[in-house]
Amino acid sequence: DVKVTQSSRYLVKRTGEKVFLECVQDMDHENMFWYRQDPGLGLRLIYFSYDVKMKEKGDIPEGYSVSREKKERFSLILESASTNQTSMYLCASSGRAEAFFGQGTRLTVV
Amino acid sequence: AQKITQTQPGMFVQEKEAVTLDCTYDTSDPSYGLFWYKQPSSGEMIFLIYQGSYDQQNATEGRYSLNFQKARKSANLVISASQLGDSAMYFCAMRDPSGGYNKLIFGAGTRLAVHP
Repeated sequence: DVKVTQSSRYLVKRTGEKVFLECVQDMDHENMFWYRQDPGLGLRLIYFSYDVKMKEKGDIPEGYSVSREKKERFSLILESASTNQTSMYLCASSGRAEAFFGQGTRLTVV
Repeated sequence: AQKITQTQPGMFVQEKEAVTLDCTYDTSDPSYGLFWYKQPSSGEMIFLIYQGSYDQQNATEGRYSLNFQKARKSANLVISASQLGDSAMYFCAMRDPSGGYNKLIFGAGTRLAVHP
């Protein structure tokens, strides 16, 4: 069964902390994505990766970075968390067909 | 720039009736893919249906069909015989290979409420 797994379902972090959100897929997909979801704004693309060590900025990359050292793992990094980064974060992976999503991480920055 | 537009923030429908959720898109590449996803209140994203830009026929999956009008750049989702369990957020998405990256972008979503 196809699977995308995000390391945490809920996270609470303090302002200024460095935050790592991890995502692992078991489908050998080339493409992986990080989105944030906010009410009324839908899913906005933060970063995506089309191969190991390759990354591209999405629509809202400011305040975020990513890492893809292995094909199955794509990490989102908040260098210095701020309250406006409180959101739902969704990881996805895709091959030539549909994208598969993780269960999401609801991050609260206090 | 690539863009997905869903103009209906919320829709409601009576149980057993059909409903159409609108989606328009913008891309300069002739090869692209269009998707619809359902997100229930539990939060998971459920893939519903896919349409490729070169597909000759409109995609169908059970009670879901995609009304694909290429010249108008629209890809509306039609749900027939609505059920209470169809109440959810619905997202239209496009895989856009412009620039060679197969970026996947989403619209803002439509919240569907099915009334008994």
